[in-house]
Amino acid sequence: GQQLNQSPQSMFIQEGEDVSMNCTSSSIFNTWLWYKQDPGEGPVLLIALYKAGELTSNGRLTAQFGITRKDSFLNISASIPSDVGIYFCAGQSRGSTLGRLYFGRGTQLTVWP
Amino acid sequence: DAEITQSPRHKITETGRQVTLACHQTWNHNNMFWYRQDLGHGLRLIHYSYGVQDTNKGEVSDGYSVSRSNTEDLPLTLESAASSQTSVYFCASSEGAGGLYQETQYFGPGTRLLVL
Repeated sequence: GQQLNQSPQSMFIQEGEDVSMNCTSSSIFNTWLWYKQDPGEGPVLLIALYKAGELTSNGRLTAQFGITRKDSFLNISASIPSDVGIYFCAGQSRGSTLGRLYFGRGTQLTVWP
Repeated sequence: DAEITQSPRHKITETGRQVTLACHQTWNHNNMFWYRQDLGHGLRLIHYSYGVQDTNKGEVSDGYSVSRSNTEDLPLTLESAASSQTSVYFCASSEGAGGLYQETQYFGPGTRLLVL
């Protein structure tokens, strides 16, 4: 199956700091999605990207679809304690089964007040 | 509001028993998916369906089965539960209408299954 490498695996930051995480794939993707998972809950969609080079914001979150189509980035500005959780990237590649997503292993974010 | 629900939220069963996890969505989505989430593995696809009477195997389908008799439901059955199937199970759905947003999947709250 497709390989998605998500980094970093975990982050420990202080409230107010900015956060960056990224995801790379071994093949070209035509869709990138970023999800957040709170403890005991299912992943919730944060941002969806459909075009190479696309930069999309959702409040303090900004995500970009890499020009090479093989990577994506998520930035969180001015982090707050409720940003704590696991962030997953997911993507669909051309030629893969229609609608099927491949997931990174997640970035565990901890925010200290 | 439209939503996706899973039941039960928690389940304890014994090795060898048959277990069925329910998934119900009210978005009228064509595509439905089952994943399991384990530490160190992230989300892995078990089975998926593109519509009524359609089912397909994912990357970890052994020991699981699904059936799609209507648009709203995709129950996941563990034929003979094994300890290796202790996990958190998530159901997801996507529109699957052939449009630009078909790949966006929406997840249920999950079912925690413990097989003793």
